[in-house]
Amino acid sequence: EAGVAQSPRYKIIEKRQSVAFWCNPISGHATLYWYQQILGQGPKLLIQFQNNGVVDDSQLPKDRFSAERLKGVDSTLKIQPAKLEDSAVYLCASSLVARSGGGQETQYFGPGTRLLVL
Amino acid sequence: AQKVTQAQTEISVVEKEDVTLDCVYETRDTTYYLFWYKQPPSGELVFLIRRNSFDEQNEISGRYSWNFQKSTSSFNFTITASQVVDSAVYFCALKNYGGSQGNLIFGKGTKLSVKP
Repeated sequence: EAGVAQSPRYKIIEKRQSVAFWCNPISGHATLYWYQQILGQGPKLLIQFQNNGVVDDSQLPKDRFSAERLKGVDSTLKIQPAKLEDSAVYLCASSLVARSGGGQETQYFGPGTRLLVL
Repeated sequence: AQKVTQAQTEISVVEKEDVTLDCVYETRDTTYYLFWYKQPPSGELVFLIRRNSFDEQNEISGRYSWNFQKSTSSFNFTITASQVVDSAVYFCALKNYGGSQGNLIFGKGTKLSVKP
């Protein structure tokens, strides 16, 4: 079974530029998550989708970050304009469901996109 | 408040030594899940184990074992006879059961270096 796919793996941009990341979750997984991982810290949730609807975007800096999952499968995360503090690894994860008692909520992560903002 | 604390920032051991990674969590929920993930230098978070709050049985998987103690809010991870390939950052995470939100609360991670 293919895992979570992400691209690009690395991106270097200058501040105030825009950037977009792509994620393809595990086939059949209804729930998709974007996390931001700053160096030396654990991942922090940015946004959670259930199919193509947003469940939680409370920690997404909406003045510069946006995300969509139009057909309930692939997702894109965009930053415009980027700031120096956006330098981080952006991780996409997916799970069968968001909540269950049988392990279907276990999240599986992609390899991440390392963003460096200069 | 929900919180996960991994007090050990870095641990260095020599191959074949046993090593225990500590995890202490805080939550007001009575039903929750605990996870351990491994993050090798490649960056991908690899799922290792999931534990329900109502199942305190310890678990062993090969050289890996987990000790879950609700009385001390701890979920420690032991690697027996460590190998160089175990070198990675290990994250403990908490997920509450309530509501539709599924976000994981991660600790800051423990970097394990296993030297030959």
